[in-house]
Amino acid sequence: LAKTTQPISMDSYEGQEVNITCSHNNIATNDYITWYQQFPSQGPRFIIQGYKTKVTNEVASLFIPADRKSSTLSLPRVSLSDTAVYYCLVGDNWSTGNTPLVFGKGTRLSVIA
Amino acid sequence: NAGVTQTPKFQVLKTGQSMTLQCAQDMNHEYMSWYRQDPGMGLRLIHYSVGAGITDQGEVPNGYNVSRSTTEDFPLRLLSAAPSQTSVYFCASSLAVRPYEQYFGPGTRLTVT
Repeated sequence: LAKTTQPISMDSYEGQEVNITCSHNNIATNDYITWYQQFPSQGPRFIIQGYKTKVTNEVASLFIPADRKSSTLSLPRVSLSDTAVYYCLVGDNWSTGNTPLVFGKGTRLSVIA
Repeated sequence: NAGVTQTPKFQVLKTGQSMTLQCAQDMNHEYMSWYRQDPGMGLRLIHYSVGAGITDQGEVPNGYNVSRSTTEDFPLRLLSAAPSQTSVYFCASSLAVRPYEQYFGPGTRLTVT
């Protein structure tokens, strides 16, 4: 299972773009990169998933370079409500016998007014 | 759809007591899993299931049992509660074709005295 490394915490002002980078040097060929968001006292929520290049949805963008050894979650124009913990996970399909996605400690993002 | 539901929301146990945390989903998801989250920590996988009748151990399975007799339900049993099991427990489910996109329940906050 590929291990991930991400910053423990980040601060940002409202209205700024926030980029959270995750390192996964041992990513395997079949691994996907998935990001979750967790607000206090709630379960995590799926944000975005990608395999290579760029993926964008209504919440965020995910940038993955060609070597796939890192990825960057980009949150455009953050607001106070984006204050949360963000988890980067790397894993393969469960049906191949690998264990499900493993959560690390995540990155605690604090948005300041 | 109710999504993923968990009961109870809160529970206090004495050391040595046993209990079952309930988890149900109405999305016809094949995959289900149980995580625990200790204060200031990420989520750790306890047990998971890729379908009815199939379960497997995660990172921290000791002291817990699971069964999956139906697609909808995935109860977690604490055999003999210990203070080290004080935590917030989250249940999650996902489709087999999109295993990375897990839907989480609201959690059960368990205190063992």
